[in-house]
Amino acid sequence: EVVLTQSPGTLSLSPGGRVTLSCRASQTVTSNYIAWYQQKPGQAPRLLMYAASSRATGVSERFSGSGSGTDFTLTIVRLEPEDFAVYYCQQYGRTFTFGGGTKVEIK
Amino acid sequence: QIQLVQSGAEVEKPGAAVKVSCKASGYTFTNFGISWVRQAPGQGLEWMGWISPHNGNKNYAQKFQDRVTMTTDTSTSTAYMDLRNLRSDDTAVYYCARDSHLLRYSAAAYWGQGTLVTVSS
Repeated sequence: EVVLTQSPGTLSLSPGGRVTLSCRASQTVTSNYIAWYQQKPGQAPRLLMYAASSRATGVSERFSGSGSGTDFTLTIVRLEPEDFAVYYCQQYGRTFTFGGGTKVEIK
Repeated sequence: QIQLVQSGAEVEKPGAAVKVSCKASGYTFTNFGISWVRQAPGQGLEWMGWISPHNGNKNYAQKFQDRVTMTTDTSTSTAYMDLRNLRSDDTAVYYCARDSHLLRYSAAAYWGQGTLVTVSS
């Protein structure tokens, strides 16, 4: 099973700032099939990125993804109030697994 | 528009079974796989398994292999997740989610609203 480790667990930031979230896989992710999701309290997750760096429909250009092999990142620039949420990475190259999540909170 | 509408909240006793439904609309049901994901209170997302409505192929997470059955009814565009021998730590919100790409494993672009399953004696 591919284990995904997200770090850090929580980040405290101010609106307008920039954040980079990390997702590390225990083995190479097939075809860089990494997705990123955003989840707010009481809501279902929302797909942000797929195939590591492709933005899902309707997602702001302030979100970008990168990485390959075992190391992947999600970067959010010019943080807006609605960006404060929990972010999960997921690999879907070899079945599916989720990372433990990173909470981005307002400082 | 594409929608996944799940069945309502359930309360079950330990040892019982629960069946959650997920009715799809707004697209050709057989063209996209469905995953089931759960989230215990205050915890992260946990993938349970995937099913292809196209050919019935399934892939269950090893943790749930012995207790879960996923099925689809193409006549009603509905997916089902049956979890048996419930324990208190199965208390969670259960989501169905649709693949983003045609006929292959892919990221989940559409999600149901979630179904809270509470296991309590």
